[in-house]
Amino acid sequence: DVVMTQSPLSLPVTLGQPASLSCRSSQSLGSSGANTYLSWFHQRPGQSPRRLIHKISKRDSGVPDRFSGSGSGSDFILNISRVEAEDVGLYYCMQGAYWPYTFGQGTKLEI
Amino acid sequence: EVQLVGSGGGLVQPGGSLRLSCAASGFSFSGYWMSWVRQAPGKGLEWLANIKQDGSEKYYVNSVKGRFTISRDNAENSLYLQMNSLRVEDTAVYFCATDADRSLGFDPRGQGILVTVSS
Repeated sequence: DVVMTQSPLSLPVTLGQPASLSCRSSQSLGSSGANTYLSWFHQRPGQSPRRLIHKISKRDSGVPDRFSGSGSGSDFILNISRVEAEDVGLYYCMQGAYWPYTFGQGTKLEI
Repeated sequence: EVQLVGSGGGLVQPGGSLRLSCAASGFSFSGYWMSWVRQAPGKGLEWLANIKQDGSEKYYVNSVKGRFTISRDNAENSLYLQMNSLRVEDTAVYFCATDADRSLGFDPRGQGILVTVSS
């Protein structure tokens, strides 16, 4: 199975400052951004996950443009340009290029 | 608006069975692959299984293969997960999700289905 490794596991941030979350896969997820199946999810305690980004950089409807995704191959980044209070929680990356889909262990964003 | 309402969870003894259901609305259910995902207490997300639109293809993670069965009823807009030979480590909140373009869509208002396996 493809192992997804996220770092850091915990990320203290300051409101209004940028944040960068990393995700690395044990195998390349593809060389074409259009068909590289890497997604990012945000989850608050007691809630369902919410997808933010799919195919590396495609933001979902309603997701603020302060969230952006980048990367290729095996290395991916989720950037938050200016952290807001509502952004706290856990962030997971997930690969859908290979069965089974696999998630990273999560990065906890805290103020 | 996508709505996925789960039911069927509860407390079950090790070795027992449960059938989870997920009622879908707000989108064309028969047009989507569907997935089950779970989250053990204090742990991360684990994808379990998915099923093609017509039910002809199903995929499972190794940890549940042979014990869990995913199925669907497009006429009822419903997704199911039959869980047999349950183990303590199957204790988790279970989520259903749409599965499109190799990614997952969850109901933001969904709470998931709590399954507790304990003697």
